[in-house]
Amino acid sequence: AQKVTQAQTEISVVEKEDVTLDCVYETRDTTYYLFWYKQPPSGELVFLIRRNSFDEQNEISGRYSWNFQKSTSSFNFTITASQVVDSAVYFCALSGEETSGSRLTFGEGTQLTVNP
Amino acid sequence: DAGVIQSPRHEVTEMGQEVTLRCKPISGHNSLFWYRQTMMRGLELLIYFNNNVPIDDSGMPEDRFSAKMPNASFSTLKIQPSEPRDSAVYFCASSYRRSGANVLTFGAGSRLTVL
Repeated sequence: AQKVTQAQTEISVVEKEDVTLDCVYETRDTTYYLFWYKQPPSGELVFLIRRNSFDEQNEISGRYSWNFQKSTSSFNFTITASQVVDSAVYFCALSGEETSGSRLTFGEGTQLTVNP
Repeated sequence: DAGVIQSPRHEVTEMGQEVTLRCKPISGHNSLFWYRQTMMRGLELLIYFNNNVPIDDSGMPEDRFSAKMPNASFSTLKIQPSEPRDSAVYFCASSYRRSGANVLTFGAGSRLTVL
């Protein structure tokens, strides 16, 4: 069975602070895929990143960065110099080898509030 | 591209009524997914289709729920009869299935309230 845990239910920061959202996953697959999605107050789910299990390189995209560590089964997401527009619920998700990425198992989500 | 289009965006109905949610996937995508989001259970997969064929419907809660995909550009999720516990946001998503990871593009969701 696959499982994604986002232990932080809510995080509140002040604008310009850095913030890290934690994601821990469980899977028996040797090949798997990890995702982050953003759900702003408007409600839609927006894709942020996809990572393969065999690619442990960290990735940076503007103010966003992701730290993938297979040794600890974690795929953490950091926002540098947070902005009010970053306020949203962020979901970490996992899909396994057998479904070739078709079936996403989502974590519970972390509600991030960035205050001005 | 217009993205994944869902209708209605909001639906309020009374217990016992039939509800039909609709989805138009992105043109060229060959996989379609129905997810449900509730406070208690989070985001859960109900059913998904590849090339219009249902592949996994193990997430469908019970026989009151049914989904169809008559062609590559349209899918419906039907609840009959509806119950208050069906109140949730229902998301449709589509992707192009190939080897490796597929990125799902989600629609804006249909918020269902059953009174």
